[in-house]
Amino acid sequence: ETGVTQTPRHLVMGMTNKKSLKCEQHLGHNAMYWYKQSAKKPLELMFVYNFKEQTENNSVPSRFSPECPNSSHLFLHLHTLQPEDSALYLCASSQASGGPSYEQYFGPGTRLTVT
Amino acid sequence: QKEVEQDPGPLSVPEGAIVSLNCTYSNSAFQYFMWYRQYSRKGPELLMYTYSSGNKEDGRFTAQVDKSSKYISLFIRDSQPSDSATYLCAMTRFSGGYNKLIFGAGTRLAVHP
Repeated sequence: ETGVTQTPRHLVMGMTNKKSLKCEQHLGHNAMYWYKQSAKKPLELMFVYNFKEQTENNSVPSRFSPECPNSSHLFLHLHTLQPEDSALYLCASSQASGGPSYEQYFGPGTRLTVT
Repeated sequence: QKEVEQDPGPLSVPEGAIVSLNCTYSNSAFQYFMWYRQYSRKGPELLMYTYSSGNKEDGRFTAQVDKSSKYISLFIRDSQPSDSATYLCAMTRFSGGYNKLIFGAGTRLAVHP
């Protein structure tokens, strides 16, 4: 079991709903990441936080809004999503991302279905 | 052109077979090369990483990097049903002040008894 937890594990939401995904890491890391994983596509990096500061927004639509209140917690707020946003959303953490961040530890993901 | 190409499979082999998983890449700026394993309903976990061209062995797993050909491989010897998973290659390049991970699409492997 990794030291990164994600809740909920499954989420079904309508296009007009607002929901939030939560990630918590217990590894003492300083960098946290959100990825989107769609079937037969590479993992897509969405956001990077380094010491609570957002250092990357990979051209993600504004209907996805991240929040990082401290180095252990990361949220992804969702509103007015589209059916093509249905995917597995993975959270990861690593040591400060200016260093050897190749060793990222992933949570189990939240399977999101937008109806 | 994608930066990292990986055949999604699926690949089905009998128990005990040698498995070869491969990725090609186009960007010579990639520095670290790694393999992640992802079981069903789990997140990816780092299996192995290498920095330079050559081979790196860890038990039944061997990672191989050929920078001149922009080609990396993962070999699994004496494959077991417990090796059934999706294997993701990933590479890092320095971008925006940090090491960014670029993933392949993953190859689904099934090892049957």
